[in-house]
Amino acid sequence: DGGITQSPKYLFRKEGQNVTLSCEQNLNHDAMYWYRQDPGQGLRLIYYSQIVNDFQKGDIAEGYSVSREKKESFPLTVTSAQKNPTAFYLCASHTAERPTNEKLFFGSGTQLSVL
Amino acid sequence: GQSLEQPSEVTAVEGAIVQINCTYQTSGFYGLSWYQQHDGGAPTFLSYNALDGLEETGRFSSFLSRSDSYGYLLLQELQMKDSASYFCALSNAGNNRKLIWGLGTSLAVNP
Repeated sequence: DGGITQSPKYLFRKEGQNVTLSCEQNLNHDAMYWYRQDPGQGLRLIYYSQIVNDFQKGDIAEGYSVSREKKESFPLTVTSAQKNPTAFYLCASHTAERPTNEKLFFGSGTQLSVL
Repeated sequence: GQSLEQPSEVTAVEGAIVQINCTYQTSGFYGLSWYQQHDGGAPTFLSYNALDGLEETGRFSSFLSRSDSYGYLLLQELQMKDSASYFCALSNAGNNRKLIWGLGTSLAVNP
């Protein structure tokens, strides 16, 4: 079955440490996204990529970095510059084909906490 | 700028009908989407309105009125499993197709 896989489900970060969240999709989607969700809040866009080897900053990109070397993969690194990283991180993908119902497919999320 | 407003909480009983409203301010968009998210889970797509009017998918329906800058999600025959957060989201006009998200409505379905 096609879908998006995020790992790990839970991740703990020590102060000053960089951590990387994995996101892999086998839906053959061109566009991929990283969102951050804080308790009781909506989704805020961190980074997005519409094509391999290209990505753009979202609304809260500071302290994060991404790469898009393969169509299937869009890993997110939470750097030590991100001072408040505790949140639920969601990866999503979307087909670039038209017409579209604008449907985003989400992974199951990674809960990142600070030790 | 662009923004969406939804009620923060809604309570209903099993078997009832509930309407979750979403009002927005934007200069242009492709359409309005609705997503459901259970606690600790990922959002799942429910419905999308590109044009004005009603879209029906089983027990769920969604409505859009561009002239009123307003949309809603209608849930019928409520079940306990419908207790979740519901988000409306606008597809940003332009090539980047970013979604602008509301803050979500927490729906509690009581017996």
